[in-house]
Amino acid sequence: AQTVTQSQPEMSVQEAETVTLSCTYDTSESDYYLFWYKQPPSRQMILVIRQEAYKQQNATENRFSVNFQKAAKSFSLKISDSQLGDAAMYFCAYRSPERGSNYKLTFGKGTLLTVNP
Amino acid sequence: NAGVTQTPKFRVLKTGQSMTLLCAQDMNHEYMYWYRQDPGMGLRLIHYSVGEGTTAKGEVPDGYNVSRLKKQNFLLGLESAAPSQTSVYFCASRRDGRITYEQYFGPGTRLTVT
Repeated sequence: AQTVTQSQPEMSVQEAETVTLSCTYDTSESDYYLFWYKQPPSRQMILVIRQEAYKQQNATENRFSVNFQKAAKSFSLKISDSQLGDAAMYFCAYRSPERGSNYKLTFGKGTLLTVNP
Repeated sequence: NAGVTQTPKFRVLKTGQSMTLLCAQDMNHEYMYWYRQDPGMGLRLIHYSVGEGTTAKGEVPDGYNVSRLKKQNFLLGLESAAPSQTSVYFCASRRDGRITYEQYFGPGTRLTVT
């Protein structure tokens, strides 16, 4: 079974600075999908960014980018020019590409990000 | 288009009481999922459904039952609530087809069992 580990329960960053959230995972599959979700105080789960394992290029969405190291099974999220609205719990998640897996997500335990003005 | 909705948003139960959480989606999605979120535990899959009339167990199914009588609705039942079931419950749905499709989450239900 796949496991996802987020080793930083809490992180803080100054507004306008850059922060990196860590995620490692364990799998025997060669192809898979990785996700970062944001959960603000409203509790709504918001997809931030997605990475397909077969793509060597790191995904980028505006101020959010990932550092995907397949051999090391590492998938970190970098937030540039941090804003107060980035304060949230961030979850890393894994999904098998196989239809037989029913597209279930395996989540890490989360990292609570605080943004200081 | 409301997306994924959950009813109720908050509920307090006494130990031993029963209740049903309703998840509804208007996107004609095949797949639906129930997760629970506990502090320091992330989201864990309780049950899921791959289509109308089907259900399957997830990672933490004990103490819960589910039904999917209509494609748009996925019900999560607690027959005899226990304090260990105090949690925030999320429903999600997903379209069938391309593997790149994502899960869409509801706003969550906070359940407290005293």
